[in-house]
Amino acid sequence: DIQMSQSPSTLSATVGDRVTITCRASQSISGWLAWYQHKPGKAPKLLMFKASVLESGVPSRFSGSGSGREYTLTISTLQPDDFATYYCQQYNSYPYTFGQGTKLEVK
Amino acid sequence: QVQLQESGPVLVRPSGTLSLTCAVSGDSISGSNWWSWVRQTPGKGLEWIGEIFHTGGTTYNPSLRSRVAMSLDKSKNQISVSLNSVTAADTALYYCARQSGGTMDHWGQGTLVTVSS
Repeated sequence: DIQMSQSPSTLSATVGDRVTITCRASQSISGWLAWYQHKPGKAPKLLMFKASVLESGVPSRFSGSGSGREYTLTISTLQPDDFATYYCQQYNSYPYTFGQGTKLEVK
Repeated sequence: QVQLQESGPVLVRPSGTLSLTCAVSGDSISGSNWWSWVRQTPGKGLEWIGEIFHTGGTTYNPSLRSRVAMSLDKSKNQISVSLNSVTAADTALYYCARQSGGTMDHWGQGTLVTVSS
């Protein structure tokens, strides 16, 4: 299985900050990476696929980049609605696997 | 608007079988998408259980392959999952999701299943 590792596990930030979350795969996943936002009690939400393609309806303050084994999710100007847990997921090969999550909390 | 709703017993006895159903609205499970199950546990985070296509074709996570089965009911537009020989380690929040090219673009809100005697 491809192991996905996210950092940091917890990120404390303030509205207006620029934040970056990193996701590393145990082997190259050739850009087959998705990012999700998850709030307690709600369905996870797909933010991005193919590492940098924004899902329809997702605000442009979210961006993704990366290749090979290392990927990042950036929120350019943090909004109150963005405090949540973020997960990366590889779909390069079966079984699909997720990172352990990054909890974005209010500083 | 695609919506998914999981349902099933909230408590399962150890060594028993966990069975869940996902009702899909706003899309047909007979279309071009695969449909998947994902679970979330405190210890292992998010774990992809497997996927099913309207033809009945399935792909399972090797870690669960010996215990899991997925099926679908086209007349009810529902997908189902069963997991046998459950233990406390199978206690989790179970989600169904629509897959699009390997990503899960619509999810249910999840249903918590506890394995306990």
